[in-house]
Amino acid sequence: EIVMTQSPATLSVSPGERATLSCRASQSVSSNLAWYQQKPGQAPRLLIYGASTRATGIPARFSGSGSGTEFTLTISSLQSEDFAVYYCQQYNNWYTFGQGTKLEIK
Amino acid sequence: EVQLVESGGGLVKPGGSLRLSCAASGFTFSSYSMNWVRQAPGKGLEWVSSISSSSSYIYYADSVKGRFTISRDNAKNSLYLQMNSLRAEDTAVYYCAREGGQGNFDYWGQGTLVTVSS
Repeated sequence: EIVMTQSPATLSVSPGERATLSCRASQSVSSNLAWYQQKPGQAPRLLIYGASTRATGIPARFSGSGSGTEFTLTISSLQSEDFAVYYCQQYNNWYTFGQGTKLEIK
Repeated sequence: EVQLVESGGGLVKPGGSLRLSCAASGFTFSSYSMNWVRQAPGKGLEWVSSISSSSSYIYYADSVKGRFTISRDNAKNSLYLQMNSLRAEDTAVYYCAREGGQGNFDYWGQGTLVTVSS
């Protein structure tokens, strides 16, 4: 099983600042990596797939990068609605999710 | 508009059974693979099971293999999860999710809560 490790577990950032979230795979997943946003009481929402392609309707302030085992989600200028939990997911070999990064208001 | 609506959750005793349903609308259901993903209270996401568009390919996480059965009815635009021999560790919100063309999950339902407790 491919293990996905996200860091940090919690990230405190002020509105308007940049947030950088990391995801590492225990073995190469090529570019078969997605990012999801989840707010309390809601279902996850797809943000990024193919490591760097924004899903339909996702603002340009969200960007993804990386390949192989190291991936990054960057939110360029945090808006109030961006504070949530973010999960990475690999779909190269079955499907596994990271444990999540909680993005909180500083 | 794509919509996925789960139902069938509830409280069940250990060893019991439950059948979840997911009603799909707003897209050609028969063209997409579908999945069940669960989330234990306060925890992360765990993939449970997948079924291809024509039911030819079915896969399960090791944690549920032999106890859960995924199925679909393309005529009814519906996805199902039959859960038998339920355990306390199966307690979670269960989401159905559509698989996008590349393997990611592009649309999710709102989830249905399954609680396994005596």
